[in-house]
Amino acid sequence: GQQLNQSPQSMFIQEGEDVSMNCTSSSIFNTWLWYKQDPGEGPVLLIALYKAGELTSNGRLTAQFGITRKDSFLNISASIPSDVGIYFCAGTNTGNQFYFGTGTSLTVIP
Amino acid sequence: EAQVTQNPRYLITVTGKKLTVTCSQNMNHEYMSWYRQDPGLGLRQIYYSMNVEVTDKGDVPEGYKVSRKEKRNFPLILESPSPNQTSLYFCASSLSSGGTAYEQYFGPGTRLTVT
Repeated sequence: GQQLNQSPQSMFIQEGEDVSMNCTSSSIFNTWLWYKQDPGEGPVLLIALYKAGELTSNGRLTAQFGITRKDSFLNISASIPSDVGIYFCAGTNTGNQFYFGTGTSLTVIP
Repeated sequence: EAQVTQNPRYLITVTGKKLTVTCSQNMNHEYMSWYRQDPGLGLRQIYYSMNVEVTDKGDVPEGYKVSRKEKRNFPLILESPSPNQTSLYFCASSLSSGGTAYEQYFGPGTRLTVT
């Protein structure tokens, strides 16, 4: 299957710092999605991107759909303790089959 | 409350003993899907269903079966579980599989251990 690689694998940051993570694929996608998973729970959709080059925000989160359609980026500004969790990217072309990244684990130190 | 429910939440079983993990959603969603989550591999799609009686394979379907007889239910069946199916399983649903209705709502997960 298609492999989506996320980096970094884990991050330890101070509260208030900005965070950047990215996701790359060997194949192109026409939709990119970013999810957050809190400990012991299922993933929750944060942002959906539908067009190459698109930049979309959701509060302190901003995500971009890469021009090549093979990558996507997620930024979190002014991190807070509740940002702790695992962030996953996902790509789809059909809306039926979804390919998830390996995840970025975020720890925010108060 | 709109939700996806899974049962059981935890299950320890032995190799070869058939089991079923149930998934139910109360949002009248057309699309449902099963994923497994393993450390370092993220989530991988097992099967999905676009509507009643319509199912298709995801990325890792081997060793699993599904059925979609009713819109709200999408059980995952392991006919002969093996230790490599030890994993955390998630069911998800979304309004549809087309257009921009991609917001999948995930269940709380089922942790399965096969010894």
